[in-house]
Amino acid sequence: IQMTQSPSLLSASVGDRVTLSCKAGQNINNYLAWYQQKLGEAPKLLIYNANSLQTGIPSRFSGSGSGTDYTLTISSLQPEDVATYFCQQYNSWTWTFGGGTKLELK
Amino acid sequence: QVQLKESGPGLVQPSQTLSLTCTVAGFSLTSYNVHWVRQPPGKGLEWMGVIWNTGGTRYNSALKSRLSISKDTSKSQVFLKMNSLQTEDTATYYCARDSGVMDAWGQGASVTVSS
Repeated sequence: IQMTQSPSLLSASVGDRVTLSCKAGQNINNYLAWYQQKLGEAPKLLIYNANSLQTGIPSRFSGSGSGTDYTLTISSLQPEDVATYFCQQYNSWTWTFGGGTKLELK
Repeated sequence: QVQLKESGPGLVQPSQTLSLTCTVAGFSLTSYNVHWVRQPPGKGLEWMGVIWNTGGTRYNSALKSRLSISKDTSKSQVFLKMNSLQTEDTATYYCARDSGVMDAWGQGASVTVSS
């Protein structure tokens, strides 16, 4: 299942509301996760099952969507949120990642 | 505390076999599945394969002919072997625990394929 993320690069200011998009090639039944990867670090799970917040993740992160279209929202961007964000589907018995959205400060 | 740590050679010659070990702590390999994921420099994430808690495996079809994943439950270790390496296999290789989703990752092992 192909996963397409947009945009590939996003510039925003501290305090902005930021929205990242992920589109699946077919219905993935909300089996969608979002990961944050900071430079030089391993990916970190933020959201699973499309809208469930992983333990320990700040509440400014939220996920939504259904079917083929999903969104990660950061309600108020913080400097420590600069990272690349990947979506991943786990609906089929193979796992695929989107190409990533690099989030930078304006 | 859940931990995963990858280890292996940093440099592999073209056409040779890569062998990596993922040593886990804080959970049992009889209860959780473990994935391998890789990331070429400056690029995205590629799922490679998974070993189920039962010992069964499933591989990315693009790598299936070259890849083998196994484990030693008593030593809390998962092994990756991939043969016929080429320069495009240069990447950071991660292992990740699956609790329904990849909820814990190792720090990654950097592998360069070069003569």
